[in-house]
Amino acid sequence: GENVEQHPSTLSVQEGDSAVIKCTYSDSASNYFPWYKQELGKRPQLIIDIRSNVGEKKDQRIAVTLNKTAKHFSLHITETQPEDSAVYFCAATPPGSNYQLIWGAGTKLIIKP
Amino acid sequence: DSGVTQTPKHLITATGQRVTLRCSPRSGDLSVYWYQQSLDQGLQFLIQYYNGEERAKGNILERFSAQQFPDLHSELNLSSLELGDSALYFCASSVGTDRTEAFFGQGTRLTVV
Repeated sequence: GENVEQHPSTLSVQEGDSAVIKCTYSDSASNYFPWYKQELGKRPQLIIDIRSNVGEKKDQRIAVTLNKTAKHFSLHITETQPEDSAVYFCAATPPGSNYQLIWGAGTKLIIKP
Repeated sequence: DSGVTQTPKHLITATGQRVTLRCSPRSGDLSVYWYQQSLDQGLQFLIQYYNGEERAKGNILERFSAQQFPDLHSELNLSSLELGDSALYFCASSVGTDRTEAFFGQGTRLTVV
């Protein structure tokens, strides 16, 4: 079945710098890749997603890129701000999985002032 | 507000006891997912229901069970509770088609003492 690996587990960046989190997946047929942000003690919330027919998607300071050949997708956050501090989860949905989300282990992003 | 309602928000109970967590999905969502999140851990998928039927099982213990009712709300039953069952339990819902965006409830924090 599908397996999603996420790196790094912890990322510390200076405020204003960029952050990149990468996920790799195993099932080349997976077709939907969302990113969720979870602030401390709160629920995960979708921040951006991408489908397999698109290579890149942007929404203000965040972007997601997908490399289907290499089977990886990345979250890019530019001009990081203190409110970006959170745990970020990636996921993938393989076809025939009853629309199941297979989750990465999460990345704790720390923004240093 | 995601539109997914979970009750109760907090639950404290003793070892050996049984509890029921409840989830009301967003209006129109047919699929319900249950997740367990222990302290500083990732999202552990427990079980998925779609329109009243079990669709997928993850790492759900035999002491745990769930169901989805005709009105689409779902309940997660946890029995013979152990200290290690203390965690945040999330319910998420989605349309259940190729639009697999999942919306999370606020979670139920279970503390077993």
